[in-house]
Amino acid sequence: DTGVSQDPRHKITKRGQNVTFRCDPISEHNRLYWYRQTLGQGPEFLTYFQNEAQLEKSRLLSDRFSAERPKGSFSTLEIQRTEQGDSAMYLCASSRPSSGNTIYFGEGSWLTVV
Amino acid sequence: GENVEQHPSTLSVQEGDSAVIKCTYSDSASNYFPWYKQELGKGPQLIIDIRSNVGEKKDQRIAVTLNKTAKHFSLHITETQPEDSAVYFCAASMGNRDDKIIFGKGTRLHILP
Repeated sequence: DTGVSQDPRHKITKRGQNVTFRCDPISEHNRLYWYRQTLGQGPEFLTYFQNEAQLEKSRLLSDRFSAERPKGSFSTLEIQRTEQGDSAMYLCASSRPSSGNTIYFGEGSWLTVV
Repeated sequence: GENVEQHPSTLSVQEGDSAVIKCTYSDSASNYFPWYKQELGKGPQLIIDIRSNVGEKKDQRIAVTLNKTAKHFSLHITETQPEDSAVYFCAASMGNRDDKIIFGKGTRLHILP
């Protein structure tokens, strides 16, 4: 059973550029989550999907952020017109309600906006 | 909304001694409390969790206790080893939802030789 996979692991971008992160959840996990983590803080919820439906978005998710999960499998998180405040680790996680809905995280995608 | 407070923020213990990390939560409807361990540059890894119908759970050197009346839960690590050095996060479900958890700010645990 492979874990949650995220790509890229590290991204350095100039302010104003767009970036996209990809997440492949654990096989058969129908829930997929995005969290953001800054240094010295715990993960903060951004959004989550059940299958292909995006069921909730945090107020942290500004209009520059968009997440998709078109076929209910992998997901992408796009940040448009990046700002320095977007620098963080973006964590993807997945779960399966039929197994107690324990949430498993990937290794994260580090974003640095310069 | 749910709020999770975690303390201490930093903890140093001698190798072989026990470590205890405590968390409180605000929503009395919360019913799921996982603990995660995060090593530098990696994602959080689930180490143990407890649901509200249980007061204590143990897995080898790790145990978690839950006091629903007081709305607090604790992580206990016994016989600490160097590889236990990491940041530990407690979390609590948003009420009785099973689709969203809220994290504490973390405890950096240092195991001293």
